[in-house]
Amino acid sequence: GAGVSQSPSNKVTEKGKDVELRCDPISGHTALYWYRQSLGQGLEFLIYFQGNSAPDKSGLPSDRFSAERTGGSVSTLTIQRTQQEDSAVYLCASSLERQHNSPLHFGNGTRLTVT
Amino acid sequence: TQLLEQSPQFLSIQEGENLTVYCNSSSVFSSLQWYRQEPGEGPVLLVTVVTGGEVKKLKRLTFQFGDARKDSSLHITAAQPGDTGLYLCAGDKSDKLIFGTGTRLQVFP
Repeated sequence: GAGVSQSPSNKVTEKGKDVELRCDPISGHTALYWYRQSLGQGLEFLIYFQGNSAPDKSGLPSDRFSAERTGGSVSTLTIQRTQQEDSAVYLCASSLERQHNSPLHFGNGTRLTVT
Repeated sequence: TQLLEQSPQFLSIQEGENLTVYCNSSSVFSSLQWYRQEPGEGPVLLVTVVTGGEVKKLKRLTFQFGDARKDSSLHITAAQPGDTGLYLCAGDKSDKLIFGTGTRLQVFP
């Protein structure tokens, strides 16, 4: 079946504009994560959805960042009033269920550049 | 403060050499995973270790989970150019997967 799909693959935006990044997880996966990766470094946790539970938003860096997951499937990460420091690759991952040995399946990410 | 520190940060070696990458933390993890990431792609899972002291082998790659479940190592024997990539450890903490700082490996033919 299809893997995790993210769109757009690249996004260039002007400082101050809002952007929406989309993630289509693998069908049937109940857990969905958003991470941010700067300059090929490690991944910074942003937010985690598990089924119908309230999302864990503890990694969101500011109130300009928000995310939702509609119908337990597609997720959208929104960044309002973008800043240059928001430039990074935003990665989405899903897993079948959030057990400690469940592998995460990643999309190829959205590369965001704020000019 | 980074929960999981990896070392070295960068490693450039010749084909055929051996290498070890370390993943260290002051926290205990219920499990630890290793991923490899290639340019333009998302990370791909290599292995999951669960039990303290556990050793897993994947062809030329050997993974070990520390006895106290706070650290892990990845050893590659006779590295190949195809091993080039970003290696990431990730620990399970409160149902979140927290990633390490990453080790970028370059293997030259």
